[in-house]
Amino acid sequence: EDQVTQSPEALRLQEGESSSLNCSYTVSGLRGLFWYRQDPGKGPEFLFTLYSAGEEKEKERLKATLTKKESFLHITAPKPEDSATYLCAAGGSQGNLIFGKGTKLSVKP
Amino acid sequence: EAGVVQSPRYKIIEKKQPVAFWCNPISGHNTLYWYLQNLGQGPELLIRYENEEAVDDSQLPKDRFSAERLKGVDSTLKIQPAELGDSAVYLCASSSYRENTGELFFGEGSRLTVL
Repeated sequence: EDQVTQSPEALRLQEGESSSLNCSYTVSGLRGLFWYRQDPGKGPEFLFTLYSAGEEKEKERLKATLTKKESFLHITAPKPEDSATYLCAAGGSQGNLIFGKGTKLSVKP
Repeated sequence: EAGVVQSPRYKIIEKKQPVAFWCNPISGHNTLYWYLQNLGQGPELLIRYENEEAVDDSQLPKDRFSAERLKGVDSTLKIQPAELGDSAVYLCASSSYRENTGELFFGEGSRLTVL
């Protein structure tokens, strides 16, 4: 069964304290690994797509990496405005998108 | 360019009442999705349309849920009758098959509370 697991469920950081979020996946015929950001009361907002192991993508303080079994979202020197829930999703061979439960990030000034 | 538009944003109903949600996708996007998101959970697919055709409705509880996408543009998701456990956020998303990036564009969601 296709599955996506994110850890930790919640993460509290001080401003400037770098860390990483983990997404492990078991998906047959992976056609992409996606990261989304979701603010309270809003729909998810696309951040990155990774297609193959070893691929990396960056956007401001965020960098996403992919291996054959997991993906990491690295946050360097986070700011309070980075506080949100970060969702990982794996694209399955049937054209579906399987989401994890998300990691709720809080960055305190 | 306008994003995915959903309405209503909030809806409170009594159990056993019907409710309907409407979604207008991004212009030109042929793929439309309805997702269910419970508190503290990730979105779960209910149904996916390619143009007018429902290509994946395996997770749609067909005894009480129905959806339609007439003319391959707007879509409506209906629940009849609603149950307490249906309280959740219903997200609509769209994507472009032509661009083939897999990126989904989500609306802000319709939050349903069933009393």
